[in-house]
Amino acid sequence: DAEITQSPRHKITETGRQVTLACHQTWNHNNMFWYRQDLGHGLRLIHYSYGVHDTNKGEVSDGYSVSRSNTEDLPLTLESAASSQTSVYFCASSESKSGNTGELFFGEGSRLTVL
Amino acid sequence: DAKTTQPNSMESNEEEPVHLPCNHSTISGTDYIHWYRQLPSQGPEYVIHGLTSNVNNRMASLAIAEDRKSSTLILHRATLRDAAVYYCILRDRNSGNTPLVFGKGTRLSVIA
Repeated sequence: DAEITQSPRHKITETGRQVTLACHQTWNHNNMFWYRQDLGHGLRLIHYSYGVHDTNKGEVSDGYSVSRSNTEDLPLTLESAASSQTSVYFCASSESKSGNTGELFFGEGSRLTVL
Repeated sequence: DAKTTQPNSMESNEEEPVHLPCNHSTISGTDYIHWYRQLPSQGPEYVIHGLTSNVNNRMASLAIAEDRKSSTLILHRATLRDAAVYYCILRDRNSGNTPLVFGKGTRLSVIA
């Protein structure tokens, strides 16, 4: 079955280190998204991509970057991790089709702790 | 996308029906009403969506008011597994690729 996987599921890092969270989907979806979720808050959009070599900033993009070199993967990089980036990160994908209602498929999340 | 208003939390007894309300008074004629839910320690999952008519699927039913300014997600028999945060989201039908904007949703507790 097609799926979307995130890795690592849990990571602890130190302030100032570079961290990359991986997201891989096997649905061949053009659209991929990264959200973060903090305790007591809903999901907030970080970055998204509509296809290879396309990236767009979301609501909370400062301190994060993404690159899309193929259809399957959208890695999220924290260039210099900060304690404020301690969060649960969710990757999602959706099909790109005219008239599509845009159902999103989410990964199981990556819990990042920055000490 | 237009804004939605949901209660912060609701409680239900197991095996009883649950009606989760959502107000969207500024909905436009081309906005779909989407519902997602997020089980504990998991990513959100799609539940149901509709435009004007009531909708049913294996997970739930969606009842849409005649003026479309409110809708209700109906779980016909709540189980412990239905305890989750439920998100009501409006999505313009012409913006199928744009990111979904999540609010805080309704936290549903199910009591055995």
